[in-house]
Amino acid sequence: DGGITQSPKYLFRKEGQNVTLSCEQNLNHDAMYWYRQDPGQGLRLIYYSQIVNDFQKGDIAEGYSVSREKKESFPLTVTSAQKNPTAFYLCASSIDRPEKLFFGSGTQLSVL
Amino acid sequence: DAKTTQPTSMDCAEGRAANLPCNHSTISGNEYVYWYRQIHSQGPQYIIHGLKNNETNEMASLIITEDRKSSTLILPHATLRDTAVYYCIVLASGGSYIPTFGRGTSLIVHP
Repeated sequence: DGGITQSPKYLFRKEGQNVTLSCEQNLNHDAMYWYRQDPGQGLRLIYYSQIVNDFQKGDIAEGYSVSREKKESFPLTVTSAQKNPTAFYLCASSIDRPEKLFFGSGTQLSVL
Repeated sequence: DAKTTQPTSMDCAEGRAANLPCNHSTISGNEYVYWYRQIHSQGPQYIIHGLKNNETNEMASLIITEDRKSSTLILPHATLRDTAVYYCIVLASGGSYIPTFGRGTSLIVHP
């Protein structure tokens, strides 16, 4: 079955540590996105990529980094510069235009 | 999303129709109305979208007013599994705007 796979489901970060969240899709979609969701809140855009080897900052990119070396993969690194990383992180993809998004099941990141 | 206004929460009895309103009074002519829903601890799921005509699919119906300033998502026979947060988004087709999701409407379907 085609879809988006996020891993791990739960992740814990120590102070000063960088952690990387994985997002893989086999839908042959060109565009991929990362969102952050805090409890009881909506989704805020962190980064997005519309083609391989290119990506743009979203509304809350500070403290995060991404790469897009392959069409299928769009990993998100939460750096030590992100002082409040505890949140639910969602990855999404779309064929080309962003109107219809397909989401993964999310990664819950917590700070130890 | 600053372009849309939705009630914070609603409830509905199982088996009855759930009607979720959305106001988008500043919608432009080339902007579509999209609806997604998010079941707890999962990613949002696309439901339906429309421009100006009413739309129906296997999940729901979308009614857009003639002036396009508001719309209603209808779940004709709500089940307990329809309990979720429902997001209404306005988005231009083919544009570069990336959708962000506000707080949406938390729908609780009770027995």
